[in-house]
Amino acid sequence: DVVMTQTPLSLSVTPGQPASISCKSSQSLVHSDGKTYLYWYVQKPGQSPQLLIYEVSNRFFGVPDRFRGSGAATDFTLKVSRVEAEDIGVYYCMQSTQLPVTFGGGTKVEIK
Amino acid sequence: EVQLVESGGALVQPGGSLRLSCATSGFTFSTYWMHWVRQAPGKGLVWVSRINPDGSTTSDADSVKGRFTISRDNAKNTLYLQMNSLRAEDTAVYYCSSGLLLWGQGTLVTVSS
Repeated sequence: DVVMTQTPLSLSVTPGQPASISCKSSQSLVHSDGKTYLYWYVQKPGQSPQLLIYEVSNRFFGVPDRFRGSGAATDFTLKVSRVEAEDIGVYYCMQSTQLPVTFGGGTKVEIK
Repeated sequence: EVQLVESGGALVQPGGSLRLSCATSGFTFSTYWMHWVRQAPGKGLVWVSRINPDGSTTSDADSVKGRFTISRDNAKNTLYLQMNSLRAEDTAVYYCSSGLLLWGQGTLVTVSS
């Protein structure tokens, strides 16, 4: 199975400041079709996961442009340019390049 | 508006069975791969199973293989998860997802005597 390792485990951020989450995979996530199936989700308190970024760097519908995904092969990053209070929650990376689909352990983002 | 609504979660004894449903609307259900993902209390997300658009191909996590069966009814825009031989470690909120893009609100399955 592809192991997804997220760091840090938690993050406390002052509103208006940037935040960055790293996600490393144990194998390259480049599919034979040339695409890289790396996704980022946020799970806000009491809610189901919401998609933020798909295929490394594409923002999903309605996701603010302060969220940016980047990376390649085994090394990926989610950056928030200016954190807002509504951004609190647990952030997960996920790969679906190989079965089984696997998730990172999550990064809890709190507001200072 | 896209909606995915799970139902069927309950308290069940070890060894018991349960069938979860995910009723969908607002998108062309029959064109999407559909997934089940679960989350044990206070834990992270774990993929369970997926099915292709016409229902002819499925894949399961090793932890549920031979016990859980994913299926779909494209005429009813509904996804199912038949869960047999349930264990305490299957206790979780179960989410359905369309293409791992949109997710339902989840349904809680508790396996306990």
